[in-house]
Amino acid sequence: DGGITQSPKYLFRKEGQNVTLSCEQNLNHDAMYWYRQDPGQGLRLIYYSQIVNDFQKGDIAEGYSVSREKKESFPLTVTSAQKNPTAFYLCASSPSGAVSGNTIYFGEGSWLTVV
Amino acid sequence: RKEVEQDPGPFNVPEGATVAFNCTYSNSASQSFFWYRQDCRKEPKLLMSVYSSGNEDGRFTAQLNRASQYISLLIRDSKLSDSATYLCVVIRQGTGRRALTFGSGTRLQVQP
Repeated sequence: DGGITQSPKYLFRKEGQNVTLSCEQNLNHDAMYWYRQDPGQGLRLIYYSQIVNDFQKGDIAEGYSVSREKKESFPLTVTSAQKNPTAFYLCASSPSGAVSGNTIYFGEGSWLTVV
Repeated sequence: RKEVEQDPGPFNVPEGATVAFNCTYSNSASQSFFWYRQDCRKEPKLLMSVYSSGNEDGRFTAQLNRASQYISLLIRDSKLSDSATYLCVVIRQGTGRRALTFGSGTRLQVQP
């Protein structure tokens, strides 16, 4: 079945370490997104990519980096520069063209905790 | 001012009650609107799109008021299984950024 796979589901990081969250999709979607969610909050856009080898900053890109070397993969690195990285991270994808609420697919999310 | 605002709740209602949530948006260029449901520690899932003429899906009714820039979700005959957080989602028209903007969500707790 087609879908989006995020890994790991739970990750613990020591302060000062970089960590990378994986996101893979086999839906043949051109666009991919990373969102962050804090408790009791909505999703905030970190980075998005409309096409391979291209990506754009979202609303809260500071302290994060991404790459889009392959269409199916959009890994997110949480760097040590991110001061408060403990959160729920969601990856999503959508077909090319205008994104819509009924054409975006979410992964199951990754929980990152800084210890 | 946030682009999309919701009352966080929680809304505590008994089974069988009718409950309504509103969501306001600040950008008049907003074009598309949706309600998502998110269960605790899970990814959000599309509940329904919101059309200008209003639309209904079983016990759920969504309305859009462009003049006042808000959308609403009405749930009739609440079930225990309706307990979740409901996220309002907006897509802006004519922006280079093609991504969904989420509200912070309204938590609903249906009690027996």
